[in-house]
Amino acid sequence: DTGVSQDPRHKITKRGQNVTFRCDPISEHNRLYWYRQTLGQGPEFLTYFQNEAQLEKSRLLSDRFSAERPKGSFSTLEIQRTEQGDSAMYLCASSLMGQGVPKYGYTFGSGTRLTVV
Amino acid sequence: GQSLEQPSEVTAVEGAIVQINCTYQTSGFYGLSWYQQHDGGAPTFLSYNALDGLEETGRFSSFLSRSDSYGYLLLQELQMKDSASYFCAVRPGGDSSYKLIFGSGTRLLVRP
Repeated sequence: DTGVSQDPRHKITKRGQNVTFRCDPISEHNRLYWYRQTLGQGPEFLTYFQNEAQLEKSRLLSDRFSAERPKGSFSTLEIQRTEQGDSAMYLCASSLMGQGVPKYGYTFGSGTRLTVV
Repeated sequence: GQSLEQPSEVTAVEGAIVQINCTYQTSGFYGLSWYQQHDGGAPTFLSYNALDGLEETGRFSSFLSRSDSYGYLLLQELQMKDSASYFCAVRPGGDSSYKLIFGSGTRLLVRP
């Protein structure tokens, strides 16, 4: 297992376009989280899944954002009608069910850096 | 609201000891975690405290005082590779929520 994978690593898009990011978690992890991070700030929670169920969404997640985790494996995060304020690093993390915040913590991917021009 | 406060930047000399403090104000509390993030890299889990006291993992130790809503990360025998950002994070939710709330991070610069 190579950890949490995110694709693409970088995405430049024009304002108003739609973008989709993919996250492949560690295979035995059934909790998956999306966070957003801007320069000089900590990761901000967006949403999380337990298996295929989306259990919580942040109020930061406007109607333009949607996330899915079909079959409880990989997840996608789509942003519609992108705005310049969406420019950020989008991080995915996974963890193992039954351990709350496990002693080994969340495993983060390297992120997708989105630039909206 | 929910907030975590930590210093924005700390500078220390190679071989020294540095302490990074974190105070939190959250609606609930299920433990304090610390993550390290090098520039351009992913946050990496360092430590977790659910109960008061000190947890030691090699050169890194983490402390928690629930009554003071305060914790710190202690880095000993600093190495140049320890230059990175360090984030404290709290899980504020109940049994049904596993999200983490992160602080803004402390940028540690280790000088020769």
